[in-house]
Amino acid sequence: QEQLAESGGGLVKPGGSLRLSCSASGFIFSDSYMSWIRQAPGMGLEWISYINRDGSTVSYADSVKGRFAISRDDAEKSLYLQMNSLRAEDTAVYFCARVMGGCIVSWGQGTLVTVSS
Amino acid sequence: QLVLTQLPSASASLGASVNLTCSLSSGHRIYDIVWHQQQPEKGPRYLMRVNHDGSFSKGDGIPDRFSGSSSGTERSLTISSVQSEDEADYYCQTWGTDIQLFGGGTKLTVL
Repeated sequence: QEQLAESGGGLVKPGGSLRLSCSASGFIFSDSYMSWIRQAPGMGLEWISYINRDGSTVSYADSVKGRFAISRDDAEKSLYLQMNSLRAEDTAVYFCARVMGGCIVSWGQGTLVTVSS
Repeated sequence: QLVLTQLPSASASLGASVNLTCSLSSGHRIYDIVWHQQQPEKGPRYLMRVNHDGSFSKGDGIPDRFSGSSSGTERSLTISSVQSEDEADYYCQTWGTDIQLFGGGTKLTVL
């Protein structure tokens, strides 16, 4: 059974940094395209970043471009999101997801990031 | 510009049928979409893919009462015989080159 488990969330001050991790199991991670999606409190889902299966292609939503970086370690079956220059509006639950042909087909349970002084 | 539009809320009586819609922006009628369900205090769950030709394919374990359809730029999710556990937020999702895009979500209330 496919499983995705995020970790690394927490409370951080504005301007600070945080690195999220997503551990994958139950599928061939190295063959998989992956994305990060976030959900601010009481709001809808917002796609923020995508990485293809060999890491040669990455993309970002305008809201995080230049501040966030997605990466992967296939040996560790892990996906990462390095978040720098964090702002209050980055406060959200962050989900990792597996992507197949553009479709998001599985989700993690999420990790909460709170940006506050 | 590719945009997905959903009504913010819907309601259905227990055991009734309900249809949720997701509208693609003009000029994007050949796009396929995916429906996701998010029950209260949980992460989202993949429900099904709905193709522009009206075919659909559900995820593992999704009950038979869930089905999909398509007409023009509208993609629909139909829940027949709504159950209390179907009270949730429903999001449609599509994609472009190296991006994913979500609709604003529809909150379904079961009466």
